[in-house]
Formats: sequence, structure tokens, C-alpha cells
Amino acid sequence: KAGVTQTPRYLIKTRGQQVTLSCSPISGHRSVSWYQQTPGQGLQFLFEYFSETQRNKGNFPGRFSGRQFSNSRSEMNVSTLELGDSALYLCASSWTSSDTGELFFGEGSRLTVL
Amino acid sequence: AQTVTQSQPEMSVQEAETVTLSCTYDTSESDYYLFWYKQPPSRQMILVIRQEAYKQQNATENRFSVNFQKAAKSFSLKISDSQLGDAAMYFCAYRGSARQLTFGSGTQLTVLP
Repeated sequence: KAGVTQTPRYLIKTRGQQVTLSCSPISGHRSVSWYQQTPGQGLQFLFEYFSETQRNKGNFPGRFSGRQFSNSRSEMNVSTLELGDSALYLCASSWTSSDTGELFFGEGSRLTVL
Repeated sequence: AQTVTQSQPEMSVQEAETVTLSCTYDTSESDYYLFWYKQPPSRQMILVIRQEAYKQQNATENRFSVNFQKAAKSFSLKISDSQLGDAAMYFCAYRGSARQLTFGSGTQLTVLP
């Protein structure tokens, strides 16, 4: 059974550009969450999607957005990139939005903003 | 808001020995879940162990066990018979009614041969 797949694994952008990251959850999982990991702030919750609806959102500016498709794949977008957006972006999936079971994480997308 | 504190940025243990990683949390909720995740250099977060707050019995997964003290809001991880493959960053995490995970700052575990 394939795990959570995130693409691209690495990318470099310049300030002011925008970026789109993709996440394919484990087959059958309908909930997808995104987290930002930085050395200074640690792991922070961005948002969660379930059945194409955003269920929860962390404390991030509106430049950070996401969506989920009918096949549960999710994308997150960051517009007008800033140097501080350099981070590892982790995607996690689970069966439902309300279960309390395990979140399965992908390997992450490493974004560097120059 | 919930907070999770890991007061040990780094720990080391001799191979085959036992090590305990500490975690405390703050919440006003009575129903929640606590997790320990492991992040090796490959970066993929892997669930080590999970504890439901309503269960008094401490969770155990092979060489990994927890000491869950609900009143003290403490959730420590004990790794027995440490192996080189246990070397990683360990994160304690809380999941309550808001459903998202709140992570601690992590403990970098080094296993010495």
C-alpha cells in the first residue's frame, strides 16, 4: 500500500514568487492536513481538509491557502513568497477528520526561498 | 490553547540501555490523545506510540512504553534496549477537540555504539 506522497521533494523559489505543493494521501484516506516545520518555530499546523472542505485552519496569513480534490489529493499554495517561508512542508493523511487515530506523514517538500 | 513542552533538546543513550524522554502539556480538555512521533534524518514522521487520555493503562509498543500521568499532565517515553536505529528527533504531540496536532519542540536522541 503506497504511503503519503508529496511532490516536489525539493524546490527553490525567489521572494515574491508563488509555489504549489501537492500531496496524495494513502488510498482510502479522506482527511489531509498540512504542517510547516522550521528550526525556529518547530512544527505548526497550517490547515486540514476533509471531503474537499477546509475543516480547520492554523494561524497563518492569507498567503497560505489550500484545497482538496474529489480524489482526496490536496494542494497548498503560498503566494508572494517571503524568506521566512523557507521550511519543510509536511502533509499527513488519516481515514476521517474526526477519528483520533494515527496521522500518516509524507516525507515533506523542502522549500527554499532566496 | 494547548501547549506541549519538551525540556530536553538533546539526549544520548548507550546502545542496549534504557532512556526516558520527557513531555509535559497544558490543556483544559478532559478528552484528548497524546502521541510520540519519531523523525529520522530521512524526515518522514513515524508514529511511535499513542495514548488515549481516558485510558489509565500506559501504552506499550514493543520496546517503547509511556508513563502517562494525567493529573500531572506528563507523558514520558521510555525506550528500552536502545538500538542504533532509534536515533532520531522525537516529538511529543497533543490532539484534542480541535483535531490538529500540537507538537513539542522535539528531543534529538543519539544512540552511542
